[in-house]
Amino acid sequence: TQLLEQSPQFLSIQEGENLTVYCNSSSVFSSLQWYRQEPGEGPVLLVTVVTGGEVKKLKRLTFQFGDARKDSSLHITAAQTGDTGLYLCAGKSGNTPLVFGKGTRLSVIA
Amino acid sequence: DAGITQSPRHKVTETGTPVTLRCHQTENHRYMYWYRQDPGHGLRLIHYSYGVKDTDKGEVSDGYSVSRSKTEDFLLTLESATSSQTSVYFCAISVLGSGGASDTQYFGPGTRLTVL
Repeated sequence: TQLLEQSPQFLSIQEGENLTVYCNSSSVFSSLQWYRQEPGEGPVLLVTVVTGGEVKKLKRLTFQFGDARKDSSLHITAAQTGDTGLYLCAGKSGNTPLVFGKGTRLSVIA
Repeated sequence: DAGITQSPRHKVTETGTPVTLRCHQTENHRYMYWYRQDPGHGLRLIHYSYGVKDTDKGEVSDGYSVSRSKTEDFLLTLESATSSQTSVYFCAISVLGSGGASDTQYFGPGTRLTVL
């Protein structure tokens, strides 16, 4: 069974601070995705990374896929209250369905 | 917006009663999924479908059944609801990309089910 471990589980920071959340596995994935979920809604895709070592930027969010395609990180620069939410990573391998991590719940305080 | 709706959005039922949740999509996507989301457990796959009448079990399929008689509808049934099935249920459709190496999922708004 493939597992994705996300850390930290909870994170509370002040507006303007930087943060990094992690998604780790012992398995290799062909792609890895990050989703954000707000209360009362379904998760929404932020980014997909496919190549080992790949870095993608989405405004203040930077996503990196590990060289061995087993892990990923999400870095947020100068966090804003609008970044508050549950961040989920999900990995794809072969023909099996996506595997989701348990998520990091981020709270950005003004 | 991938045109996914779920019904009902909220339901309260009693232990032992059957419950059916409906997921409807408007864009003829082949793959559809049912997840449950619980604190401390994240999203867990219940069942999924890769075509009409083609379904398979996920990680937490015990106590659940599914049916897909039309491309646009994927039904999740709790044959005899238990309190442990109190959860938020999400339906999703899948769009494969990069030769199948990636899999973008679009989620419905969720159904909050309470079993008393």
